[in-house]
Amino acid sequence: NAGVTQTPKFRILKIGQSMTLQCTQDMNHNYMYWYRQDPGMGLKLIYYSVGAGITDKGEVPNGYNVSRSTTEDFPLRLELAAPSQTSVYFCASSYSGQGANVLTFGAGSRLTVL
Amino acid sequence: KQEVTQIPAALSVPEGENLVLNCSFTDSAIYNLQWFRQDPGKGLTSLLLIQSSQREQTSGRLNASLDKSSGRSTLYIAASQPGDSATYLCAVKAYGQNFVFGPGTRLSVLP
Repeated sequence: NAGVTQTPKFRILKIGQSMTLQCTQDMNHNYMYWYRQDPGMGLKLIYYSVGAGITDKGEVPNGYNVSRSTTEDFPLRLELAAPSQTSVYFCASSYSGQGANVLTFGAGSRLTVL
Repeated sequence: KQEVTQIPAALSVPEGENLVLNCSFTDSAIYNLQWFRQDPGKGLTSLLLIQSSQREQTSGRLNASLDKSSGRSTLYIAASQPGDSATYLCAVKAYGQNFVFGPGTRLSVLP
């Protein structure tokens, strides 16, 4: 089925470890996003990309890095994990054409840092 | 900076009731507004997107309205069912900016 695929679904990290959350979309969307969602809060934008080779910071980028080498893939790298990065992470994509902008989300990745 | 709020934070209604969820935003110069549904432990599913030139959008039992001048959108759910139980989030997009999300309203529809 077409959509946004995130892996892993769950992960436990120790403080100081690093990891990469994978995100792939097969809808040929040019825009891709990474959000984090904390309990009782709305989604906060970490990084976004408007196309292959172009990325930009969102509202809460500290402690994260991204790359966009292809249209389909947008991995999120966590360096030196901290307890404050315990959250649920969502990848999303959209098309920027006229009348578009509908966001399509992945199922989420739940990360715990101990 | 755009801020988005949703009231109430939680709502519990008996099955069959019509209900309204509210979304307020501080900057009325928006491009569009989107309503999402989120089931526990799941991702977000888009329900309706309203462009700034539109006043409402309908999909089945759902109707979303937009009043830019007052900075408000409402999501109307007709004849609610237990399967409608979920968290509903609104997100607002201004020109040249990314979506800003509200905290959501947690809806419980009791059989």
